[in-house]
Amino acid sequence: EVYLEESGGGLVKPGGSLRLSCAASGFTFNNYRMNWVRQAPGKGLEWVSSISRTSSYINYADSVKGRFTISRDNAKDSVYLQMNSLRAEDTAVYYCARDLVPDTGGFPYSFDSWGQGTLVTVSS
Amino acid sequence: IVLTQSPVTLSLSPGERATLSCRASQSVSTCLAWYQQKPGQAPRLLIYDASNRATGIPARFSGSGSGTDFTLTISSLEPEDFAVYYCQQCSNWRGTFGPGTRVDIK
Repeated sequence: EVYLEESGGGLVKPGGSLRLSCAASGFTFNNYRMNWVRQAPGKGLEWVSSISRTSSYINYADSVKGRFTISRDNAKDSVYLQMNSLRAEDTAVYYCARDLVPDTGGFPYSFDSWGQGTLVTVSS
Repeated sequence: IVLTQSPVTLSLSPGERATLSCRASQSVSTCLAWYQQKPGQAPRLLIYDASNRATGIPARFSGSGSGTDFTLTISSLEPEDFAVYYCQQCSNWRGTFGPGTRVDIK
């Protein structure tokens, strides 16, 4: 069974940094593109970032470009999101999500497996 | 690509048919997915490639459309179907989501 578990959320002051982790199990991790999606309290879903299976293709939403960095360690079956220069508007539950099908170098696809999410709160 | 969903809220009774709309600002071909989200839970993939049901999704859920106009239909609402539904496009590098449609109990 596919399982994704996020960690690393918490309370951080504006301008601060946080690193989220997502540990995967139950599938061949290095075959799949991985994604981060966030949801601000009471709001809708926002795609944040995507990384291909070999880290060759990395993309960000305009709202986080230059501040967030996605990475992965296929030896550890994990994907990460380094978040710097955090703002109040980054407050959200952050989900990691797997593409539906193995990565063939295309665009982020549909996300069939999601973690339970980790809450990031940016506040002074 | 901007996705708009309508209506914002749909108030229906169990057993009724629900029709949700998603419109893209430019063509996404059939690269569109639908998700269901209940309070406190992660989203669940319902439909991918506009009309394909994901694994384990009941047949009462169906998707249709191509280009810029898409529809999610729930043929007969079950109590567990009252939730928020999001569409998402996959035709470019940004996996844009729509703002969602809430289906609540009338």
